[in-house]
Amino acid sequence: LAKTTQPISMDSYEGQEVNITCSHNNIATNDYITWYQQFPSQGPRFIIQGYKTKVTNEVASLFIPADRKSSTLSLPRVSLSDTAVYYCLVEEAENYGQNFVFGPGTRLSVLP
Amino acid sequence: NAGVTQTPKFRVLKTGQSMTLLCAQDMNHEYMYWYRQDPGMGLRLIHYSVGEGTTAKGEVPDGYNVSRLKKQNFLLGLESAAPSQTSVYFCASSYQAVYEQYFGPGTRLTVT
Repeated sequence: LAKTTQPISMDSYEGQEVNITCSHNNIATNDYITWYQQFPSQGPRFIIQGYKTKVTNEVASLFIPADRKSSTLSLPRVSLSDTAVYYCLVEEAENYGQNFVFGPGTRLSVLP
Repeated sequence: NAGVTQTPKFRVLKTGQSMTLLCAQDMNHEYMYWYRQDPGMGLRLIHYSVGEGTTAKGEVPDGYNVSRLKKQNFLLGLESAAPSQTSVYFCASSYQAVYEQYFGPGTRLTVT
């Protein structure tokens, strides 16, 4: 079971780039790294997923070093609407679901 | 295309009462999930299903039962509600394992 560790909270200002790092020391060969965003009173929403190196989509980038023991979610030029909780997950392709765990996440506050 | 819907949105139960939460998805997804989220915590997987007619236990299955008689529906049952089951319940679905999960709006359950 690849447990994840993230900072509990972060503060940023509008227009800044925010990087949230997640540790997953026990990640296995076939595991994927996925990030979700959750606003109050809503279900989580998928942001990005990766296996290695760098993945970029229209809202974020995900950086994964060669050893894959950590990953960094990068949000470019955040706005007030990016204030939310961000969850890092390690998804096991084998025995999927048996060890599926959302940690407490990182509470990001974007200030004006 | 409604995505994932949950019924009901709110419910108050007395200890010992039973109820069923309904989750429906119209995306023809194979996988469906039930989570609970307690205040200030991440989501915890209760049960999941990898296809019609299948169910499997997640991290916190005790006190809950599920059924997936139709591909589009996933039911979560509480046979004898306890105050410890007071939580927000989220349903989700995904096309396959390690694919993006789509979440419903949640059901807020209070057991007194």
